Amino acid sequence: GENVEQHPSTLSVQEGDSAVIKCTYSDSASNYFPWYKQELGKGPQLIIDIRSNVGEKKDQRIAVTLNKTAKHFSLHITETQPEDSAVYFCAAIPSIFGNEKLTFGTGTRLTIIP
Amino acid sequence: NAGVTQTPKFRVLKTGQSMTLLCAQDMNHEYMYWYRQDPGMGLRLIHYSVGEGTTAKGEVPDGYNVSRLKKQNFLLGLESAAPSQTSVYFCASRNGGLNTGELFFGEGSRLTVL
Repeated sequence: GENVEQHPSTLSVQEGDSAVIKCTYSDSASNYFPWYKQELGKGPQLIIDIRSNVGEKKDQRIAVTLNKTAKHFSLHITETQPEDSAVYFCAAIPSIFGNEKLTFGTGTRLTIIP
Repeated sequence: NAGVTQTPKFRVLKTGQSMTLLCAQDMNHEYMYWYRQDPGMGLRLIHYSVGEGTTAKGEVPDGYNVSRLKKQNFLLGLESAAPSQTSVYFCASRNGGLNTGELFFGEGSRLTVL
C-alpha cells in the first residue's frame, strides 16, 4: 500500500516569514495530493490539493508543488500569520482504483511566532 | 448546514466496557470513514463505507465494528474497550470518487479507556 512520510514534525517560524512542509510518497501511481489543516480542537479541513498533471498550484498565500519523478510534494505558506498556527497533514491516494483509501502523513505542527 | 456531526464528543470508559460512536452527515455523501488520531501517528483509517449497507476494513480495524444502515449515519462500535483504544476519533464523509471530492471531517470524539 501507499506510504506517506511528512517532515518536519514541528516547525516554528517568525510571523511574516515563509514555511515549507515536505511529503514523500511511495506509490508512483498515486495521482491526487491534498493538504489538510487542523486547528486546535477541530477536525482537519482541506486547504489545497494538487493532481498529478499539475506541477504547482497557488491559492493566495499557500501553494503546493509536486515532483512526480522524485515522488514528493510540498506545501508553501508565505507571509505567515498567527492564524496559520495549526497542524498540517499531507495525503495521497493509493494507486488501486476503487480502494478509496486516503493515506495521511503523520502531521506537522506549525507555530507562528509573533 | 451542520455538515458532519459526531456524538458523543467526550467519553471515559473502563476496560471491557462497550460503546458506540455515532457519525451523522447531512450532505448526502456516499462515502464515510472513521479515523483515529494519536500523537505522532497522524490519522489512521479504521473502517470505511462506500455506500449504505456496505463497510470495509481500513488500516487498523481490530477491536472495532461498524455499521451503515442508513446513508447519513456511520456507527463505530467498541465491543470490549482496551486502554490502547484511548484516542481521538474522527468521522469524515465525501461525495463520489476520491479523485474529485474532499473529505469533510467532524470535530472529533475524545475517548479515554481506563
